[in-house]
Order: sequence, then C-alpha cells, then structure tokens
Amino acid sequence: GAVVSQHPSWVICKSGTSVKIECRSLDFQATTMFWYRQFPKQSLMLMATSNEGSKATYEQGVEKDKFLINHASLTLSTLTVTSAHPEDSSFYICSAGLDEGDTQYFGPGTRLTVL
Amino acid sequence: KQEVTQIPAALSVPEGENLVLNCSFTDSAIYNLQWFRQDPGKGLTSLLLIQSSQREQTSGRLNASLDKSSGRSTLYIAASQPGDSATYLCAPATSGSRLTFGEGTQLTVNP
Repeated sequence: GAVVSQHPSWVICKSGTSVKIECRSLDFQATTMFWYRQFPKQSLMLMATSNEGSKATYEQGVEKDKFLINHASLTLSTLTVTSAHPEDSSFYICSAGLDEGDTQYFGPGTRLTVL
Repeated sequence: KQEVTQIPAALSVPEGENLVLNCSFTDSAIYNLQWFRQDPGKGLTSLLLIQSSQREQTSGRLNASLDKSSGRSTLYIAASQPGDSATYLCAPATSGSRLTFGEGTQLTVNP
C-alpha cells in the first residue's frame, strides 16, 4: 500500500520557538494532504487541508497564522508551529490519499512537546 | 457538522471471542467510511474502507458493514487475538476526503 512518512517523529522545544514538521508521500503524488492533531486520550481532530500550489483550508478555531502550512510539491507538505507554547504539545498526524474518496494513508505522527 | 460516536468506549475480552464494535454518525451524506487501528503512541493503520454504495467489506478476520441511511457502521472481529489489542477508530468521509473521527473503542484481548 501507499506510504506516508513524517519527520521528525518527536521533537522537544522551548516555549517561543518554531517547529517544522514534514509530511511526505513516498510512492505516490498527493494533490491534497490533511493535518490532524490528537491530544492524549482524545481522537484526531482535523486542523487543515493542505492543497498543492494553493493556500491551505483551515478548520474553524485553528489559527492559520500560528499553524503555517506549505504544500510545495505533490509529495511534500509542511506544518510549522510558530511561537510554540506548552498548550501546543500534542501528537500531529498527516494523511494523504491517491484520489478523492480513496483510502487515506496516515503518517506515523510527530509528538511535539513544548517546555 | 458531522458527529461520530463509537460504542463501547472500551472492551476487554478473552482470546478467541468474536466481537462487534459500533459506530454511528449524524450526517449520512458520506462518500465512504474507514475503520482504522491505532496502537499507543503510533499513527493510524487503515483496516477497511467501505464506499457509500457498499454494504460491507471483508479482510481476513475483519468484516465491516455500513448502513448509510441509518448512519451506522459495525466492525466485526472474528476469533480475536492478543495482537488485536489497540484502539479502533471509525471515520466517515464527507466531501473532499475529509474524515471525522470518533473517540474510538479501546480493545484489550487477554491471552
């Protein structure tokens, strides 16, 4: 099946720094990728839809200036958490599919801890 | 707004039992529905995808059914094994492959 990777798998940073997370589709091209956030003991919440070559679409309540998304190519989307604070500590997961309506393949996730 | 409920929230069974996980959703205008497995601290593994026009899908010991009009899906696991222990997530997809996740069912299969 299709493979989606994320880098880094975990990151610890100081409050106020910015963190970039990469999501790559390794063996297929993805026009659209999705970014989710998962807090402990909770389910995944969609943050934004990343569209190649255009601006991301953010879910209600997600600050677009804090969570910067860049989908520069058909195989790479990046999420930058700007000026991270402890409340941003979470598990961030991306997904991609071959076509609309097809199976979504998820990356292994990135655990962010902000001190 | 799509809302997804999964019952039960947690389930503990002895090895070998057949079991059923339930999922209900409020917006029946879905493209498909996926069942995922998540191990602690890990990403998601897709188990089954049912298109909105389908009634069920089978993969090995797993069988998922979909009743779109009533907003329900079930995941049936036959002859459960300790390796099946994980959290199972149901996620219907609306337009543009947007998934809405339930809270999940945490399954423990005891040897």
